[in-house]
Amino acid sequence: DAKTTQPTSMDCAEGRAANLPCNHSTISGNEYVYWYRQIHSQGPQYIIHGLKNNETNEMASLIITEDRKSSTLILPHATLRDTAVYYCIVRVVSGGYQKVTFGTGTKLQVIP
Amino acid sequence: GAVVSQHPSWVICKSGTSVKIECRSLDFQATTMFWYRQFPKQSLMLMATSNEGSKATYEQGVEKDKFLINHASLTLSTLTVTSAHPEDSSFYICSAQDRGTYGYTFGSGTRLTVV
Repeated sequence: DAKTTQPTSMDCAEGRAANLPCNHSTISGNEYVYWYRQIHSQGPQYIIHGLKNNETNEMASLIITEDRKSSTLILPHATLRDTAVYYCIVRVVSGGYQKVTFGTGTKLQVIP
Repeated sequence: GAVVSQHPSWVICKSGTSVKIECRSLDFQATTMFWYRQFPKQSLMLMATSNEGSKATYEQGVEKDKFLINHASLTLSTLTVTSAHPEDSSFYICSAQDRGTYGYTFGSGTRLTVV
């Protein structure tokens, strides 16, 4: 079973920040939080990941709460091309075998 | 960045025939590759995990004789759907774990339609 829960859908106005929450209350100390997005009929695209510190890259920012039980993906200036399903997953980063299962994700609709 | 090439991007086949889907890591070595299936408006469902040089591990409910997985090298895994039926029509996606960074990269997916 997926270890994360996300809202089913969200709307965001174009140009505004999109804040996508994710709960992962059973996360282990060595599990990272990863975010991917899937645009219709394509493979998931990596966005960002983090362990405990907030992270930022050219696509997004990731805010992880101090207790690590939840996180928020922030798209600072959403565009129409950001309309997609966003998946939050948790996993150990190691060479060992680990299954990665997906929850239902959040369908983000960016509105003009 | 890491790139995974999945081929073909779409295929139509007749019932009873077999279809092979390839997944290649282009610029990294993949210790582990994952195969997912996705039905319309649903999330990705993990089918199986394959490690180079060993047998794949299938998820519960996935028929290993129907979905043959081969991971012969550190850059190539294949999924063969044998004796395909219309209910096998789906979007199949592979993912590869980078041997060096442990990051996961996904292929672009294969849309299989069985008629």
